[in-house]
Order: sequence, then C-alpha cells, then structure tokens
Amino acid sequence: AQKVTQAQTEISVVEKEDVTLDCVYETRDTTYYLFWYKQPPSGELVFLIRRNSFDEQNEISGRYSWNFQKSTSSFNFTITASQVVDSAVYFCALSEEMDSSYKLIFGSGTRLLVRP
Amino acid sequence: DAGVTQSPTHLIKTRGQHVTLRCSPISGHKSVSWYQQVLGQGPQFIFQYYEKEERGRGNFPDRFSARQFPNYSSELNVNALLLGDSALYLCASSHPTSGGRLQYTDTQYFGPGTRLTVL
Repeated sequence: AQKVTQAQTEISVVEKEDVTLDCVYETRDTTYYLFWYKQPPSGELVFLIRRNSFDEQNEISGRYSWNFQKSTSSFNFTITASQVVDSAVYFCALSEEMDSSYKLIFGSGTRLLVRP
Repeated sequence: DAGVTQSPTHLIKTRGQHVTLRCSPISGHKSVSWYQQVLGQGPQFIFQYYEKEERGRGNFPDRFSARQFPNYSSELNVNALLLGDSALYLCASSHPTSGGRLQYTDTQYFGPGTRLTVL
C-alpha cells in the first residue's frame, strides 16, 4: 500500500540553526511524484516543491533544499539558517494515481518550532 | 490572481445536522479536490471533481457528497453529522498539464480551509 511516514512529530530549534525534516515513502509504482507542503497556523497548505521519481538531483531554493534518494525511499527537506517565520507544520505527500483521477497521500506532518 | 477560496471559515453544528461547505478554485483551474484533516493528522482525500464529474472518491461514508458547478466551484455536503466529523476541510484546485487529462503529476493548490466543529 502507498504510505508516507514522517517519524518526527515535533522539532524545536533555535533561530539560525539548520534543521532537516525526514520523509520516507512506500509505493508500488515505478513512476510517482512527491510533494512538500507547509501549513502555518492559518491552516492553508502552501505548496513548496514537487519532485518526480526520475529526477534524483537535489534541489535548492533559497534556504530550502531537498534530498531525494530513491534507494532509501526518502525525500528529506532541509531548512538552512532557520527563522521564526519557518514555524509551521510540514507535510510530505505522495501522489497516487487512481482509475481516472489521482489523490495525495499525506504523512502525519512534522511540527517545526523555531525559537528566537 | 486570487488563490483558492473557501467559505465559511468556521462553522459550529450539532450532531445530526447537515452542513454545506463551499470552494472556488483558482481562475482557470477545472479540477477541485476535497480533503479532511483531523487535528494532529495529515489530510485525507474525500473527493476529486473534474469538468463537473466525480472522478475519484476516498474511503468516506455516503453521508459525504459533493458536486461541481459550471463555473468549477464546488460544494461539499455532509449529512447526519457525527462528533468525528469535526475537522478542517480543505479544498484544492489543479489544472491538467497534459492533454486535458487528470495526471498524478499535477500540483494541487489548497485553500485556507473550513474548520467544522460538531457538538
């Protein structure tokens, strides 16, 4: 069965520390897409990145970077020099194809608290 | 451009009542999906609509129903509310990037959600 596991329930860091959020997935598909979303206290899920299973290149966007390793079924997310505004719940998700549609399968999320 | 909008923001109902939640997708997006997020958990897929047709359904009882209108906005209806229906209901919109067909590669953009409390 398709599954996403985010083992870290909550992480607390001091501002300017680097932090890595782990994501491990299970899928029977050979091609698939993975996503990261950020959920601030307002509740809206903010799209951060989409990565396909063919592309194992790491990606960097400002202070954010993602490490995708197909061999270990992991898609980890690192925030460099964390800021208070990074405090949120972060979700990793796997896109699962259905008969004539698709759905996102989410992990349980990691709550990140960045303290001043 | 406006993002996904949802109404109402908050809602309080009692057990047994009925509720209707509304969603307007990003302009130009023709697909709407609904998710339920119980406190402390990740969102769970309820429905996906595309071109006014139901295209996918998650593991939810028949008390949950939805529809999509000609302008691509959508309503989620829940009948006979239970305490366990208390959750944040999220709407997401997407637009097929390949040949007008829904693809698992499409990115879903979420609205702010409707927080439903059932007493």
